[in-house]
Order: sequence, then structure tokens, then C-alpha cells
Amino acid sequence: NAGVTQTPKFRILKIGQSMTLQCTQDMNHNYMYWYRQDPGMGLKLIYYSVGAGITDKGEVPNGYNVSRSTTEDFPLRLELAAPSQTSVYFCASSAGQGDNQPQHFGDGTRLSIL
Amino acid sequence: DAKTTQPNSMESNEEEPVHLPCNHSTISGTDYIHWYRQLPSQGPEYVIHGLTSNVNNRMASLAIAEDRKSSTLILHRATLRDAAVYYCILYSYGKLTFGQGTILTVHP
Repeated sequence: NAGVTQTPKFRILKIGQSMTLQCTQDMNHNYMYWYRQDPGMGLKLIYYSVGAGITDKGEVPNGYNVSRSTTEDFPLRLELAAPSQTSVYFCASSAGQGDNQPQHFGDGTRLSIL
Repeated sequence: DAKTTQPNSMESNEEEPVHLPCNHSTISGTDYIHWYRQLPSQGPEYVIHGLTSNVNNRMASLAIAEDRKSSTLILHRATLRDAAVYYCILYSYGKLTFGQGTILTVHP
């Protein structure tokens, strides 16, 4: 059972380049999330989506964009990479509404911007 | 967002119980208490959650104070595989707000 799958696992970008981090889930979950984790810190919410066609900003959305055209996919776009975006990015999903629904996380994408 | 306070680190010996404390004095009546753990180089993993009553599952137990201002995650018999960062989180309006968590070290 795949769960939440993130690609790529590692990537090095140059300043100013753009890229898309891919996230897909096979659990038919409505809610999906993107987090970033800086070294030694907890995760911070970048964007989230409560269903196809609906997205909203989290705590640290600047420099990122998202789209949600299908239930399964929730890509994260970096348009102009900056060194401050060097981090580990995690995608997560949860079923339905309600704060009693656990989030399921992918294994992360480790991104370095030089 | 309601905050949680956890010790930075704790240590345990293998096969002994571990009690991981969490304070959340500003919890609201609708906030669920969630625990996740993160093993090195992996994404967070759901452990357990509760609202008011104590909860048990195959991984752990969650003891919630009567006033809900604190909770304790209980690992009944720690193994080396339980060494991880444990996050206590108040799940509010569909969002998890992670703190820095407790680093659990398990000694053989």
C-alpha cells in the first residue's frame, strides 16, 4: 500500500530556478497538506487543500504555489528558488473533516538551493 | 493557535515504560490532542489521539488530565525502534501546529 508518495526524494537547485515537488496519495483523502521542516525544527504548514479545486495558505506560503486539480495530486511549485527555501518538504493527507482524523505523511523531498 | 510545551529530551532503557509529558494549558474545548513521532530521515508518523478520555492502541496509550491542560504519552515497553522525536500537537480546525517535540533516546 503506497499511501502518500513524494517525488523527487532529493534535489539541488540553483538560485532563481523553478521546480515542482510532486505529491500523490491513493487513499482517496480529501485533505492534503504541504509542510517544510528546517534543521532541528518542527514542521511548518505552507499550503493545504480541503478538496479538488480548493487551496488555502498556511503559516509560511510566500515563495510557493499549489494547485489541486484532482483528489490524488497536490503539487507544490517553487517559482524563483531562494537559499531560504533549502529545507525538507513533507506532503500529508487526511480523510474527511474533523480534527480526529490523523494525517498521513510522505517520506519527504530534501531540497538544497545553492 | 494553542501551544504545547514538551521537554526537549528524555532517555529510557530498552523494555522499560516511557512517559512523555505535554502541557497545553490554553487548549480549547474542541481541540483534539494528537501525538506523532518522527524517526530520523522519515516523515512524521501518527501515534495516537484523544479528546477527553484516555485512549489505547497497538502503539501506545494516551492519558489526558481531567482538566485537559496536560497529557502523557505512554510507551509500555520501549524498544530501540522507538527512538524518535515525539510531537504533542493540538489539532485545531483541520490544522496541525508542530512544536519542537521531545527527542527520545532509548538505551540498550
